[in-house]
Amino acid sequence: EAGVAQSPRYKIIEKRQSVAFWCNPISGHATLYWYQQILGQGPKLLIQFQNNGVVDDSQLPKDRFSAERLKGVDSTLKIQPAKLEDSAVYLCASSLVSGTVETQYFGPGTRLLVL
Amino acid sequence: AQSVTQLGSHVSVSEGALVLLRCNYSSSVPPYLFWYVQYPNQGLQLLLKYTTGATLVKGINGFEAEFKKSETSFHLTKPSAHMSDAAEYFCAVARGSSASKIIFGSGTRLSIRP
Repeated sequence: EAGVAQSPRYKIIEKRQSVAFWCNPISGHATLYWYQQILGQGPKLLIQFQNNGVVDDSQLPKDRFSAERLKGVDSTLKIQPAKLEDSAVYLCASSLVSGTVETQYFGPGTRLLVL
Repeated sequence: AQSVTQLGSHVSVSEGALVLLRCNYSSSVPPYLFWYVQYPNQGLQLLLKYTTGATLVKGINGFEAEFKKSETSFHLTKPSAHMSDAAEYFCAVARGSSASKIIFGSGTRLSIRP
């Protein structure tokens, strides 16, 4: 079974530029998550999709971050304009309900450096 | 509100020694608890999880964790460390009816000395 795919793996941009990240979840996983992991910290949830609908985006800085999952499969996360503090690893995860508890499977992440 | 505290941002043990990574949680309801491992430049991989039932949970790669409600702890152990265990380890607690909303601790970096 193929895992969660993300691209690009690395991105370097200057502040105020725009950037987009792509995620393709595991086939059949209805739920998709985007996390931000700042160096030295645990991942923090940015947004959760169920199929193509948003379940939770309470932690998403909506003035500069946007995300979509138009066909309920792959997803794009965009930052416009980027700030220095956006430097982080952006992780995508998808999940399958196992019993009553979801198990999340993570992609390798996109490492973003904003200069 | 749920939260997780990992004691020690960096733990170093000798190869073959006991590994003990500490995690304490705060939850107003019976928690779902997880340990994830992150190898350099990779995503997170689930080591083990506690939902209900047996409080000693066995995971992959010889790791196990024990849920102790009285101590609000979920410490991760492995009897004998291997060089390949060097990685970042995250304890996490889940909230929501399907435990889909995971709160991660800040992580513990495990180093293995030859």
